[in-house]
Amino acid sequence: EDQVTQSPEALRLQEGESSSLNCSYTVSGLRGLFWYRQDPGKGPEFLFTLYSAGEEKEKERLKATLTKKESFLHITAPKPEDSATYLCAVRASGGSYIPTFGRGTSLIVHP
Amino acid sequence: EAGVTQFPSHSVIEKGQTVTLRCDPISGHDNLYWYRRVMGKEIKFLLHFVKESKQDESGMPNNRFLAERTGGTYSTLKVQPAELEDSGVYFCASSQDPYTSGRGRTYRNEQFFGPGTRLTVL
Repeated sequence: EDQVTQSPEALRLQEGESSSLNCSYTVSGLRGLFWYRQDPGKGPEFLFTLYSAGEEKEKERLKATLTKKESFLHITAPKPEDSATYLCAVRASGGSYIPTFGRGTSLIVHP
Repeated sequence: EAGVTQFPSHSVIEKGQTVTLRCDPISGHDNLYWYRRVMGKEIKFLLHFVKESKQDESGMPNNRFLAERTGGTYSTLKVQPAELEDSGVYFCASSQDPYTSGRGRTYRNEQFFGPGTRLTVL
């Protein structure tokens, strides 16, 4: 069974204090690892897709990396508007479109 | 371009009543998905439509849940009769079909989520 574990569950940072969120996964043949951002009362907003170990993607202050067992979402010099829940999901081989989600990391950035 | 929309945003009903949730996907997206997040747990898949056909309904909890997508446009998810454990946030998502790049890599397109319907069963 595919599993996704995100850590920490919650993270508080000061504005400008860089950090990383972790997503560890167990899947039978990775066909994509996804990062989403979710604001309160809204649906998940797509950020990145990573397909193979060693791949990296960046968007503003966010950078996602992937190894064979985990992915990191690095946040450089965060701002209060980066506060949100960050979700990780994986899609396994076999032709299914269906991702398995982690429970998310709740990030609060204090000014 | 309008995103995925869901209606209602909130619904509070009593145990035993019926509720129907609606999802309007992004125009042109043949793939439509329903998910549910119970408080404190991860988002769980319910079912997947390709146009009007159910591609995968392995996540549907039981026969109290009925999803339809007539004409391959909007979809409804009916819960009848509702039970306490059905409470949660129901998300809908849509995506285009996958495509293969010139380099032969197949991309299974990203899913775009709606804002969700928060269902409370009392």
